[in-house]
Amino acid sequence: EVQLVESGGDLVQPGGSLRLSCTASGFTFGDYWMTWVRQAPGKGLEWVANINQDGSMRQYLDSVKGRFTISRDDAKNSLYLQMNSLRAEDTATYYCARPPGRRLDYWGQGALVTVSS
Amino acid sequence: DIVVTQTPHSLSVTPGQPASISCKSSQSLLDSDGTTYLFWYQQKSGQSPQLLISEGSNRFSGVPDRFSGSGSGTDFTLTISRVEAEDAGVYYCMQGIHLPWTFGQGTKVEI
Repeated sequence: EVQLVESGGDLVQPGGSLRLSCTASGFTFGDYWMTWVRQAPGKGLEWVANINQDGSMRQYLDSVKGRFTISRDDAKNSLYLQMNSLRAEDTATYYCARPPGRRLDYWGQGALVTVSS
Repeated sequence: DIVVTQTPHSLSVTPGQPASISCKSSQSLLDSDGTTYLFWYQQKSGQSPQLLISEGSNRFSGVPDRFSGSGSGTDFTLTISRVEAEDAGVYYCMQGIHLPWTFGQGTKVEI
């Protein structure tokens, strides 16, 4: 059974940093691109970033480029999102998802990030 | 960026009746490889989104056959042939042909 479990969500002050993790199981993690998607409270879904199998290709939403870094550790079956210079508008539940053929076929349960003073 | 527009914003349906959601994109979602990069997701209250339909019309594994996707190019439709109580939630379409991948604003389905 494919499982994705996010962790690391927290309350952080504007300008602060946070690292989210996503631990995968039930499939060969290293064979897949991985994706982060976020959802602001009561709002819709927003794609954030992708990373390819060996980490050589990283794609970002313009509004997070230069502030967020997606990475992975295949030995730990883990995906990460390092978030720096956080803003109030980054407040959201962050989901990791698996995107074979660009379809997001499995999602984690989400990690809530709240940016507030 | 490709704009994806869903209508209606909300829908109230009686169990056993059909329901349809429209999704229109600002650019064609048919890629040169012949793939249509249009996907439908269902998000029930308090849960993560779940994939329903990929490539415009392919039901994902385990999705009931009352769900179907149709359309091409820029115009797509998700149809629930006979709505059940468990179908309540918010439905999103998403385009994956060009970055940034973008979602429609969602359609809330109430039973």
